[in-house]
This record gives sequence, structure tokens and C-alpha cells, in this order.
Amino acid sequence: DTEVTQTPKHLVMGMTNKKSLKCEQHMGHRAMYWYKQKAKKPPELMFVYSYEKLSINESVPSRFSPECPNSSLLNLHLHALQPEDSALYLCASSQGGNGRRTDTQYFGPGTRLTVL
Amino acid sequence: KQEVTQIPAALSVPEGENLVLNCSFTDSAIYNLQWFRQDPGKGLTSLLLIQSSQREQTSGRLNASLDKSSGRSTLYIAASQPGDSATYLCAANNAGGTSYGKLTFGQGTILTVHP
Repeated sequence: DTEVTQTPKHLVMGMTNKKSLKCEQHMGHRAMYWYKQKAKKPPELMFVYSYEKLSINESVPSRFSPECPNSSLLNLHLHALQPEDSALYLCASSQGGNGRRTDTQYFGPGTRLTVL
Repeated sequence: KQEVTQIPAALSVPEGENLVLNCSFTDSAIYNLQWFRQDPGKGLTSLLLIQSSQREQTSGRLNASLDKSSGRSTLYIAASQPGDSATYLCAANNAGGTSYGKLTFGQGTILTVHP
């Protein structure tokens, strides 16, 4: 099973709302990623977690707050977003561990976020 | 900083044609290069991954090659079908640490195969 699941599929929120995106995998992967993809653009890396610890933050604004409660789950907490944050948010995972830089990344279907 | 370029940006071909998608990258110190397919509004599906020590990988009608020294990869699709219509993305992996990858994507090639 190479499935990464993401919920919700669609999310509409106002600029004062607080919401969360959820990502889950049960492949035993130890590296998990958040990407942002604007329309007609390629995905851009936001965060990388390795062994439940934040390893990369690509200078993402603090209104995006990632969390990795356990090795299977990755959340992205959203607060005070702007309309330009509207995008497809993709989660991915890879096996990771002990020099496993060469692994395939498996992507979820994404959450389509609209900020009004 | 890694930069990845894909040519052409869009390609329209009749069904049955063989075609080649091109990908180039500026930093040759990659661990692997991955090709993905993305259907409109959907997530990414991994097609092929080529390790830096490999020259090519094959899966069904797909064949990907890698020339790390020249910073190039190609995806060859044989006998194209309308179901192959999608955006194809290549991504170079320059790992940021010991246990995870860091993908930089090209802009993608939009492929349309018409019956």
C-alpha cells in the first residue's frame, strides 16, 4: 500500500479563521513533507519532517504552523491567511532513515484551499 | 540553488506517436531524479525514479534516462494514448540531510494526446 491520505479535500476559510489540514500515511515512512502548489505552477517545498522533527522550513510565514504528532500523521495549522495563500496543499512521504536520501516520495491527492 | 527546466512547455500529438520530454538541471550533485504525472486538480503520481548511479529506468511504455554530468534527463513515452494526457513533472533531489530528500520541480510539460 503506497497511499498518502489528506483531509479535507476542499477547504474554504475566511482570513480570520483557524483551520487545520491533515495528512496520514501507514507505510512506516519516517520523512514527511508539505508542498504548496499554485495554479499552473510546480509544487514548492514548505516543510520537511524527519523522525517527527522539523528538518526544513523554507522560510514559510508563521501563519502556517506544521505539526507532526506521531510518525504517521502530519498536520498543517492555518491562521490569519491571506487570499494569495489559496492553493493546492500537497503532503508527501518517503521511507527516510539511515541515509535514505534516494527514496521515492509518495504524494497525497492534496487539499484545495480557498481563502476569502 | 538548484534550477530545473522542462522543454517543451506543452505538446500535442496524435495517438500512437512516440514522444520525448526533456528535463535539465543546473546542480549535478543530485541523489536521484523523479518523474511524476499530475492530472488536473489532482495530486502527483510517481512514474519513475532514477538514482544518480543509474543511466535509465523503464516501466511499461515509459523509459527515463539520466545524464548527470550534462544535467539532463529525458522521459520517453512509446505508443502514446489519450489516457496519457496530463502534466508531466520532473524533480531533482538534492537532499538537505541524511534521511530525507529535497525535491526541486520543473515547470512541467502539458501533454495532450488526441485520438
